Amino acid sequence: QKEVEQDPGPLSVPEGAIVSLNCTYSNSAFQYFMWYRQYSRKGPELLMYTYSSGNKEDGRFTAQVDKSSKYISLFIRDSQPSDSATYLCAMGADYGGSQGNLIFGKGTKLSVKP
Amino acid sequence: KAGVTQTPRYLIKTRGQQVTLSCSPISGHRSVSWYQQTPGQGLQFLFEYFSETQRNKGNFPGRFSGRQFSNSRSEMNVSTLELGDSALYLCASSLGDRVAWSETQYFGPGTRLLVL
Repeated sequence: QKEVEQDPGPLSVPEGAIVSLNCTYSNSAFQYFMWYRQYSRKGPELLMYTYSSGNKEDGRFTAQVDKSSKYISLFIRDSQPSDSATYLCAMGADYGGSQGNLIFGKGTKLSVKP
Repeated sequence: KAGVTQTPRYLIKTRGQQVTLSCSPISGHRSVSWYQQTPGQGLQFLFEYFSETQRNKGNFPGRFSGRQFSNSRSEMNVSTLELGDSALYLCASSLGDRVAWSETQYFGPGTRLLVL
């Protein structure tokens, strides 16, 4: 079983739809959970950052972490064509000192059609 | 404020050659991490530097190495290139001592390396 699993898609939705992106993980020690957005031919951009568990909202974006199910989600409300990109989840555990690092999902390619 | 810059943006090399990639972090940032991104393996951590010291290293062979200079600029080197080294190499920087756990981490556009 891979440490982080993410459905690669592609996912195509009409403009205005609610988008749900998900990742599952196997390491119960993970404390940091991130979502990145990567446009074609660009570097990733940190979109949402969550430490431990719970929900976090930023504008049209909501990140949820369910540590009991080892499941994280990113919701995009009122999706726009400009949201078309690849979304990467990432997570990791700080084992102290300089140990531990981010493990990334393979990314879900999202296309929002006008 | 200028973002993270990486040079060169594109590179073509042949098997057996070596390559050096450069990353200039955002001004004031002292931590730099390097990642390899391929369609098959996704984004994988290579190594991280803070104040010229390697803090952490990913699971890559010794052909992959890096360093950080006193001005926080970083370079990574790949010796004896293999076809499988073809990838997008990304660097990220942050203010804190660990890029991975930082809320203020920024990626560069990457260097696309093609090994023939």
